[in-house]
Amino acid sequence: AQSVTQPDIHITVSEGASLELRCNYSYGATPYLFWYVQSPGQGLQLLLKYFSGDTLVQGIKGFEAEFKRSQSSFNLRKPSVHWSDAAEYFCAVRTGTASKLTFGTGTRLQVTL
Amino acid sequence: DAGVIQSPRHEVTEMGQEVTLRCKPISGHDYLFWYRQTMMRGLELLIYFNNNVPIDDSGMPEDRFSAKMPNASFSTLKIQPSEPRDSAVYFCASGYAGELFFGEGSRLTVL
Repeated sequence: AQSVTQPDIHITVSEGASLELRCNYSYGATPYLFWYVQSPGQGLQLLLKYFSGDTLVQGIKGFEAEFKRSQSSFNLRKPSVHWSDAAEYFCAVRTGTASKLTFGTGTRLQVTL
Repeated sequence: DAGVIQSPRHEVTEMGQEVTLRCKPISGHDYLFWYRQTMMRGLELLIYFNNNVPIDDSGMPEDRFSAKMPNASFSTLKIQPSEPRDSAVYFCASGYAGELFFGEGSRLTVL
């Protein structure tokens, strides 16, 4: 069965520093991969997605992610973090034709000023 | 577009009472999902529909939970009777072309 692992439960970075959030997936074929962000008291918002093609995908709010098949990874990056990026980030994988997603356990990002 | 609309946003009830959560998906989306989020278990998929038909309800915790989608613009998740362990945030999401769009959630507290 497909699964998603986010090894970091909590990450703290300084404002202006770079960010990388890790995501590893388990699936036999090429998966469809997503990153969502959840601010406190809010629903999940799609940051970016990978379906096929260029393995480096750009998303909203200055985020990008790179699909690496050899490492079964889809890490999220941002060159310079803003205080407003503090939130919880979820990696997800979709397999098959349905829109059903399997989510990782999330990484909580704290930004210090 | 108004996005996925959930009601109520907050619900506090006593154990044993019936709870009904409501969802209006984005028009034109052919999938609808109900997720539950807790600190202990994270995001759990409860049930999902395709074109108003339930496809997979294997995530529904037990018979106290039921979900319906009588038409393309409305779905309900019902808990009867409710228990304190049902306290969580319940999210509805609608899907189209492989993407999910989430509502803001219904926070349920069962005393």
